[in-house]
Amino acid sequence: AQSVTQPDIHITVSEGASLELRCNYSYGATPYLFWYVQSPGQGLQLLLKYFSGDTLVQGIKGFEAEFKRSQSSFNLRKPSVHWSDAAEYFCAVGPYSSASKIIFGSGTRLSIRP
Amino acid sequence: GAGVSQSPSNKVTEKGKDVELRCDPISGHTALYWYRQSLGQGLEFLIYFQGNSAPDKSGLPSDRFSAERTGGSVSTLTIQRTQQEDSAVYLCASSLRQGGRSGANVLTFGAGSRLTVL
Repeated sequence: AQSVTQPDIHITVSEGASLELRCNYSYGATPYLFWYVQSPGQGLQLLLKYFSGDTLVQGIKGFEAEFKRSQSSFNLRKPSVHWSDAAEYFCAVGPYSSASKIIFGSGTRLSIRP
Repeated sequence: GAGVSQSPSNKVTEKGKDVELRCDPISGHTALYWYRQSLGQGLEFLIYFQGNSAPDKSGLPSDRFSAERTGGSVSTLTIQRTQQEDSAVYLCASSLRQGGRSGANVLTFGAGSRLTVL
């Protein structure tokens, strides 16, 4: 069965520190992988996506993620966080082909320590 | 339209009443999704449409929930005999289409409809 696991419910990092948010997935076929961000009072916005090719993908706001097939992971990273990065982050997995649902993890809430 | 539009943005209803939530996707987007986000929770998949058909309704919590899409565009999520546990933000998203190598599965979300059942 399809599933997405974000093991960290809440993470706090200091401004300027590096960040890594974990995402593991279970999917029966080649997946599409996504990271979305939901800022307080805002809608969900796509940060980055992986479909194929280079396993290190760059996104908006200085974020990147690396697809590791052997570990079924798609962790999100940022070298130096800003206070404006405080938000809820969601990992998602969807179909590479044919019709199937896109499912989301439970999210990781990121707080920034001044 | 330019984005995904959802209405109402806020709905307060009494337990046992029926509610309808509307989603107007981006013009030309053939895939449409409904998700539910309860307080402090992730996004729970409810249903998705490809055109007017719904290949996967597996996420609908009970037979009180139903959804339809007409003309390959607007979708309505209906909750009958609402219960307090139905209180949540209902999110709609659309994408150009599903599957394929073009990477067209990127979802654009609406702002959501916040439902409060008293």
